[in-house]
Order: sequence, then C-alpha cells, then structure tokens
Amino acid sequence: AQSVTQLGSHVSVSEGALVLLRCNYSSSVPPYLFWYVQYPNQGLQLLLKYTSAATLVKGINGFEAEFKKSETSFHLTKPSAHMSDAAEYFCAVSTMDSNYQLIWGAGTKLIIKP
Amino acid sequence: DTGVSQDPRHKITKRGQNVTFRCDPISEHNRLYWYRQTLGQGPEFLTYFQNEAQLEKSRLLSDRFSAERPKGSFSTLEIQRTEQGDSAMYLCASSLSLAPRSTDTQYFGPGTRLTVL
Repeated sequence: AQSVTQLGSHVSVSEGALVLLRCNYSSSVPPYLFWYVQYPNQGLQLLLKYTSAATLVKGINGFEAEFKKSETSFHLTKPSAHMSDAAEYFCAVSTMDSNYQLIWGAGTKLIIKP
Repeated sequence: DTGVSQDPRHKITKRGQNVTFRCDPISEHNRLYWYRQTLGQGPEFLTYFQNEAQLEKSRLLSDRFSAERPKGSFSTLEIQRTEQGDSAMYLCASSLSLAPRSTDTQYFGPGTRLTVL
C-alpha cells in the first residue's frame, strides 16, 4: 500500500532563508507525486506535480521539488522565503495500485519569521 | 472559469440532525471528488464521480453518508444522524479526465466546515 510521510508538522524559517519541506513516499510501483498548498480558510492549490518526466519539477511561486527514486523522496524547496509563503503544505502520491487516488501526507505548517 | 465552489462554508448542527452540502465543480470537469479533512491531517478520500456515475467509495464511508451527482454537474453530500465525530472540513475537488485511468490535476473548493454539537 502507498503512504506518504512528511517530516515535521511545523517548520519555521526566517524571511529570505531557504525553505525545505520533506516528503517521503512508499510505493512498489512508479508514483505520481504532488505538492499542494493550503492558505488559511482556503482550498488546496496545486504547487507542482511529478508525472515521470523531468525529475526536477518547477512549480508556482518559486517552489520546486526533486524526485529521487533511490531515496523515495520528493522534497519541496524554495531559495528565499517570503512572508506570503506561510501556509500548510501537503505532499500526495498517486499510483495505479491506489487506482490513481491521491494518498496524502499529514501536512507541514510553514512559519515565516520576520 | 470561476473555480470550484462549495455551499455552505460553515455549518453548525446538533447531533442527530441531517446535513447536506453542495459542490459546484469547474464547468467542463467530468470528475468530482469528496474528501474529509480533520485538524492536523491531510485530506481523506470519501468518494468520486465520473460524470453522474459514482465510481468509488471509501471503505471508511459510513452508510450515514451519501453522495449524488444527478446530472453530472453539481454534487451533494448528505450526512444523516450526524455524530460529533463527523466534525471536520469537507472538501470537494474536480478534474478533467481524458483517460479511464489517469492522474489528473484536482482543483479544490474552499471546503465546508461542519461542527456537530
């Protein structure tokens, strides 16, 4: 069965610092991987997705993620944090074994310190 | 394209009452999903429709929950005899699926927050 682990329920970084949000997945078949962001009182918005093309995926708002099969990871990064990046971030995996349904991590709340 | 909308945004009800939520997907999208999200957790899949057909339901979905998409456009999710454990955010998402088995980008609505007293 597929699963997603997001390390750290809360991550705090200073404005201008590197953002690194960790996601590890478990799957015996090739995965599709997603990062979504959820701002307070809003729905989830797709940041980026990996669908077996380039392993380095660029998304919106300056975020990117790299698929590393050997590490079963899909960590999300941004070189320089902005105050507006404060939100909750969710990693999700989808495979043929899950009938292509999204299996979600528990989320990481990103806190930006001024 | 006005995005996915959900109504109401908030619902407070007493235990034992029935509630119904509505979701209006993006107009050309043929798939519609319902999820439940509790605090500190990711969304939990409930069910999804391809046009008007309900193709999959989570094993976790109690028989008190029922969803419909009668004309393949908007959908309703009804919870009968609500319990305090039903308190959660109910999310709707839609996508355009061009293949029978595919991973589409899902677009989410703002959710309906249910509080059962």
